[in-house]
Amino acid sequence: TQLLEQSPQFLSIQEGENLTVYCNSSSVFSSLQWYRQEPGEGPVLLVTVVTGGEVKKLKRLTFQFGDARKDSSLHITAAQPGDTGLYLCAGRGSNDYKLSFGAGTTVTVRA
Amino acid sequence: NAGVTQTPKFQVLKTGQSMTLQCAQDMNHNSMYWYRQDPGMGLRLIYYSASEGTTDKGEVPNGYNVSRLNKREFSLRLESAAPSQTSVYFCASTDRVGGYTFGSGTRLTVV
Repeated sequence: TQLLEQSPQFLSIQEGENLTVYCNSSSVFSSLQWYRQEPGEGPVLLVTVVTGGEVKKLKRLTFQFGDARKDSSLHITAAQPGDTGLYLCAGRGSNDYKLSFGAGTTVTVRA
Repeated sequence: NAGVTQTPKFQVLKTGQSMTLQCAQDMNHNSMYWYRQDPGMGLRLIYYSASEGTTDKGEVPNGYNVSRLNKREFSLRLESAAPSQTSVYFCASTDRVGGYTFGSGTRLTVV
């Protein structure tokens, strides 16, 4: 099992503020994915990053994969209450198609 | 809508009772997974099936069994439920290179 550590565990901010969530590991991943989970639902895929140094943008969300493919970050600009949820990172090893999940970051955006 | 369907959504069991959680996907995915989600511990893999006819243990298989009935269906069985198995259970499927598609979960309480 490849350990993925997410920080912070909890994040509460005011609408309009920016936030960053981090996902770190000592292992190298062939790809890394970010999911968002809302209460009472299963996680939903947001993005997959594959190349070291890759940056992907999804509206106000920016995802970055570290150069060494061991870490990733999720940045939300001008957060809205609809961004509230549990954000999970998940990595896929080079020789393993299974995903290893981080414990998640609970984001609360107050109106 | 295409996706992963889990039944039941909620269940309360007494210690020692047995039950089967059902999962079906209609995306023609080869791989299917069962996870449990507990507060602060993220998603932990119980069992997975890389393809029809194969099943393998994940991180936390003790107390569980699985059956890959056909390409669409993957069930999880608790033979003798214990309070430690109180959790939210998620089924997921993937085509291996893409993201996971999750069901909406089964909330199980063992008293």
